Order: sequence, then C-alpha cells, then structure tokens
Amino acid sequence: GEDVEQSLFLSVREGDSSVINCTYTDSSSTYLYWYKQEPGAGLQLLTYIFSNMDMKQDQRLTVLLNKKDKHLSLRIADTQTGDSAIYFCAEGSGGYQKVTFGIGTKLQVIP
Amino acid sequence: DTAVSQTPKYLVTQMGNDKSIKCEQNLGHDTMYWYKQDSKKFLKIMFSYNNKELIINETVPNRFSPKSPDKAHLNLHINSLELGDSAVYFCASSQSTNTEAFFGQGTRLTVV
Repeated sequence: GEDVEQSLFLSVREGDSSVINCTYTDSSSTYLYWYKQEPGAGLQLLTYIFSNMDMKQDQRLTVLLNKKDKHLSLRIADTQTGDSAIYFCAEGSGGYQKVTFGIGTKLQVIP
Repeated sequence: DTAVSQTPKYLVTQMGNDKSIKCEQNLGHDTMYWYKQDSKKFLKIMFSYNNKELIINETVPNRFSPKSPDKAHLNLHINSLELGDSAVYFCASSQSTNTEAFFGQGTRLTVV
C-alpha cells in the first residue's frame, strides 16, 4: 500500500531556514500536501503541489518535488518561533479520501 | 466564524460506554471526513461522506458508526468503547472529493 515517511524531529534557530523532508511510495500520486498542526489545533493546509510541478513558492515557503525519487521537501525561510508545530506530508491521487499522511515532523524553533 | 467545529473538545469515559462526537461545517462543502490520530501522531482516515452518502469506510470496527443527517453535519458514534480507542479524532470537510480539506480542532478521547 501507499506509504509516506518523514523524520520525526527538526530543531532550528530562529532566523535560519528549515527544511523538512518526506518520501512517498505511490507513483500515481497526483497531489502532494503539507499540513501544519499547532498544539491543540486542527490541521491547517499550508501548501500543495501537483505532481507535474518541480517547485512551488509561496512567500516564505518553498516546496520542491523530485518525482523520480519520490521525494518532497518543505523549506521555510527565516523560521520564526510561531513556525513551531508538527508538519505533515501527505500524498493523494485523484480524490482527497485517498490521501495518505506521514507521521509528522515536529519542528522546534529555538529563539 | 468557525469553519469546522467539533464537540466536545475533550472526552474522558470508561470502557464499555457509548459516546458520540459531533461535527459541523459552515463552509457549504459537500464532503466530510473523520480521521483518527493515534498517540504516535499517525493520522488515518476512517470515513468519508459526500452529499450525505458514505464514500469511504476504511478498516474500522463496526462499533464506530458515522451519521450524516445533512451535508453540514457528520457525527461519529462509538459503541462499547475500548482502551485502544483513545486518540484524537479530527473531522474535516472539503468542497469536493478532489480539493483540499479544512480540519476541525480535534476531539481528544480518553478511555479509562
């Protein structure tokens, strides 16, 4: 079945860039998502990329997709303490209910 | 103003009890979901409804029964609660089955 893997933890200093990596197995994935979960809150969609794109930039966020290696990354420029949260990578193919989530990467931003 | 709201936010109950979690969305979306997030933060879909019709029913014990009285509501009823049911349950909705989902704040269920 589909599988999405992420590292569990990342610690960066405020002002540095953060890079969260994700690998997935489903070669038929159409959409790849990044969700953010703050403590006690629901999941917030940060950004998503279509599988026919290599890169997408949205303000401080840059998503890179290497479809050949099935590798997705999220770069957060000028990381702030408010970026501390759990970031979920997810992949979907043709319908949201088929989305598979990774286990989440906890980002800790040190002031 | 809340887009997807779940109640209650916290639920502590004894094994064997029956409980319900309610979910409402005011976004006018056609599709609603229930996800379970276990203690390891692993998030997995349980059910998906589109226009009040069940679309997805993953491998979930039949003690879990979703009910969608209308498009704006998807409630989750759980019978004979077990310790392993302890988790955070997230409700979500999306415009269609092919668009991004908006999540509620989650309901932390603790079975003792």
